[in-house]
Amino acid sequence: AQTVTQSQPEMSVQEAETVTLSCTYDTSENNYYLFWYKQPPSRQMILVIRQEAYKQQNATENRFSVNFQKAAKSFSLKISDSQLGDTAMYFCAFMRGGADGLTFGKGTHLIIQP
Amino acid sequence: DTEVTQTPKHLVMGMTNKKSLKCEQHMGHRAMYWYKQKAKKPPELMFVYSYEKLSINESVPSRFSPECPNSSLLNLHLHALQPEDSALYLCASSQGQSSGRVPDTQYFGPGTRLTVL
Repeated sequence: AQTVTQSQPEMSVQEAETVTLSCTYDTSENNYYLFWYKQPPSRQMILVIRQEAYKQQNATENRFSVNFQKAAKSFSLKISDSQLGDTAMYFCAFMRGGADGLTFGKGTHLIIQP
Repeated sequence: DTEVTQTPKHLVMGMTNKKSLKCEQHMGHRAMYWYKQKAKKPPELMFVYSYEKLSINESVPSRFSPECPNSSLLNLHLHALQPEDSALYLCASSQGQSSGRVPDTQYFGPGTRLTVL
């Protein structure tokens, strides 16, 4: 079974600052995928970024980037130039591949202060 | 277009009622999922349908009955629920690739907030 750990229940930063959310996971699989999802107060789960485990290059999507350390089983999310609209619950998630369910961490509530 | 729709948005039901939740996608995805999310908790997987066949059932009580009439539709039939079943029910879909190096990304609907009295 896989486990995903997010050790920061809540974080608060000022607008325009850079913030890093941490995530570690445990698995015996060699091929898998990792995701960060964002869930704002509207409760819609929105994909932020994804990473294939076989790729050494870290994924980036505009202001969002990850630091993927496969040996350490670490997958942190960096948000640059944070904006008020980034306020949300952020979930780190693991998937083995194919039509398999996602295993989520407990989430980090990120608050961007004006 | 990465839209997954869910109806109704809100549902209140008594413990003796029978109701259904509906999920629809028109992205040509062949895998669909039901998750349950309690307040301040992460989503938990309930069921997975792959190519219209139930492939994963995470030991969900029989008072929850999933149905996949076609590749675009997913229903969750509810009967004799308990107050502790009150939660946000999320539907998701993905392409349903069984292998390969492209992540089978799941796209979520807005959810149905269920209250059981």
